[in-house]
Amino acid sequence: DAGVTQSPTHLIKTRGQQVTLRCSPKSGHDTVSWYQQALGQGPQFIFQYYEEEERQRGNFPDRFSGHQFPNYSSELNVNALLLGDSALYLCASSFRDTNTEAFFGQGTRLTVV
Amino acid sequence: AQSVAQPEDQVNVAEGNPLTVKCTYSVSGNPYLFWYVQYPNRGLQFLLKYITGDNLVKGSYGFEAEFNKSQTSFHLKKPSALVSDSALYFCAVRDIWDYKLSFGAGTTVTVRA
Repeated sequence: DAGVTQSPTHLIKTRGQQVTLRCSPKSGHDTVSWYQQALGQGPQFIFQYYEEEERQRGNFPDRFSGHQFPNYSSELNVNALLLGDSALYLCASSFRDTNTEAFFGQGTRLTVV
Repeated sequence: AQSVAQPEDQVNVAEGNPLTVKCTYSVSGNPYLFWYVQYPNRGLQFLLKYITGDNLVKGSYGFEAEFNKSQTSFHLKKPSALVSDSALYFCAVRDIWDYKLSFGAGTTVTVRA
């Protein structure tokens, strides 16, 4: 049973560029959340997707957007990259709004230069 | 609003000694509480959760945690630490009416042989 998979594992972009990160949830999960983890900090919630819609959003600007596909996989898009967007981006999957724990992928390390 | 505090940046213990990692939380409603562990350049790995019921919960790899509602705490414990327990530990809380996880800043545990 594959867990949460994210791609790519590492990425280097230039300021002002756009980036797309991808996530496939754990088998049986239908909800995907994205988190940003800056160096030395805990993960910060970006948004959550359920039934192909964004159902909750954290304190991130509109440059951060996402999508969920019918097979429950998800993309995180970041436009107009800033140096401060450099971080580990984590995808987490879970099953609907039950009290189950979220399972995390290994993350995508984004470096903006 | 919900938040988590992990008052210790670092915890150092000798192998075989008890390990405790502290966590306090704040939520407006009833909490769901979680502990995750992160190894270098990896995602988060679930250890245990408190949803309801018995205040003492047991999780993976011999870890346990005690929910204390009056002190709003959820401390992680292990009776006998191993060198392989050396990692970064995160406490997280979710209000039962919310979808996002709020994480603490993390505690680095070092177990010396």
